[in-house]
Amino acid sequence: QKEVEQNSGPLSVPEGAIASLNCTYSDRGSQSFFWYRQYSGKSPELIMFIYSNGDKEDGRFTAQLNKASQYVSLLIRDSQPSDSATYLCAVKPPNDKIIFGKGTRLHILP
Amino acid sequence: NAGVTQTPKFQVLKTGQSMTLQCAQDMNHNSMYWYRQDPGMGLRLIYYSASEGTTDKGEVPNGYNVSRLNKREFSLRLESAAPSQTSVYFCASSGTSDSNQPQHFGDGTRLSIL
Repeated sequence: QKEVEQNSGPLSVPEGAIASLNCTYSDRGSQSFFWYRQYSGKSPELIMFIYSNGDKEDGRFTAQLNKASQYVSLLIRDSQPSDSATYLCAVKPPNDKIIFGKGTRLHILP
Repeated sequence: NAGVTQTPKFQVLKTGQSMTLQCAQDMNHNSMYWYRQDPGMGLRLIYYSASEGTTDKGEVPNGYNVSRLNKREFSLRLESAAPSQTSVYFCASSGTSDSNQPQHFGDGTRLSIL
């Protein structure tokens, strides 16, 4: 069974520090990887996607992909209290629908 | 700028009642999805429609039916609501189900079954 694994947290990070969120996946053939942010009581919102090995940066966010290790991460630099949310990792295996992890709760400490 | 629109936003039902959750997207997407989200369970796929005219079961289809009315609209029906169906329901859409395109979510419907 194809799986996407995330630590449920909560992950507590001081304001201004780097938050590091991690995700592993089981299907080695997966090609597309997404990070969603979900505030409490709200719907998931796409914040990053990455298709190639390496790093992809967008403002304070960096997605990192290592296909050999089947590992994708999200770094949030200069963490702000407004970054406190649940972060969902999603993976697109070949010939299958996107699979979502259960999410990591991030708490930024003021 | 609507994206994916779900109605209603909140609903309370009694056990045994029926209702239909509505979803419409204005992004010209081919694929649409219904998920439920419960604490600790993550997003679970109920049904999806890869394209207009097709529907398929997801991980937790029991107790639900769907209709892909046209390219824009995908509805979810509870024929006889049960307390176990109390949840938050999200509709999502994507370009296609087989491509690398992400899914975009509606605001959700919070459903309580008494």
